[in-house]
Amino acid sequence: EPEVTQTPSHQVTQMGQEVILRCVPISNHLYFYWYRQILGQKVEFLVSFYNNEISEKSEIFDDQFSVERPDGSNFTLKIRSTKLEDSAMYFCASRRTWMNTEAFFGQGTRLTVV
Amino acid sequence: ILNVEQSPQSLHVQEGDSTNFTCSFPSSNFYALHWYRWETAKSPEALFVMTLNGDEKKKGRISATLNTKEGYSYLYIKGSQPEDSATYLCALAGGATNKLIFGTGTLLAVQP
Repeated sequence: EPEVTQTPSHQVTQMGQEVILRCVPISNHLYFYWYRQILGQKVEFLVSFYNNEISEKSEIFDDQFSVERPDGSNFTLKIRSTKLEDSAMYFCASRRTWMNTEAFFGQGTRLTVV
Repeated sequence: ILNVEQSPQSLHVQEGDSTNFTCSFPSSNFYALHWYRWETAKSPEALFVMTLNGDEKKKGRISATLNTKEGYSYLYIKGSQPEDSATYLCALAGGATNKLIFGTGTLLAVQP
């Protein structure tokens, strides 16, 4: 069964360092998303991506964050200069169509900023 | 901004018990309501996508209903099994890109 895969499963980084979280969405999906969950809080939306551009982003997704789909298969989230408060579980999701279809999630990358 | 609430926050039941959780929301201004099942260290797994007031969906022992007029959805599990232990997430799909706005989740623990 097709699945969304994310790497790495856990990343520890020093404050101020850049991190890239990687995702391989399901191959025939067209809509891609990043979400995150800070420990003890709700899962929250970061950004959506369609047709090789950002289509919506939340207030959290500031200039320190960027996304790209460099090769038509990988979908990456980059945090340029990590802060302690970026520590969270980051989830990638993809969807085949825009309307009323389920989103398929990866297993998440746990990012720990020290 | 849609605020999605779930209750209870956690639930401990015995194997064989039937149980239900609630997802509540203040507005019907969304495209669909999603239920996800999330086991630790695994991907959240979609259970149901519900769009219409009065929708009822069923998958095995799990079923869900949606009442958009009164602003709630119920998830029912009949005859809980230990493998049902997970966090159950409710999310509303809305906005320009049908993004998901999640509730707090309900953590279910089923004791054998």
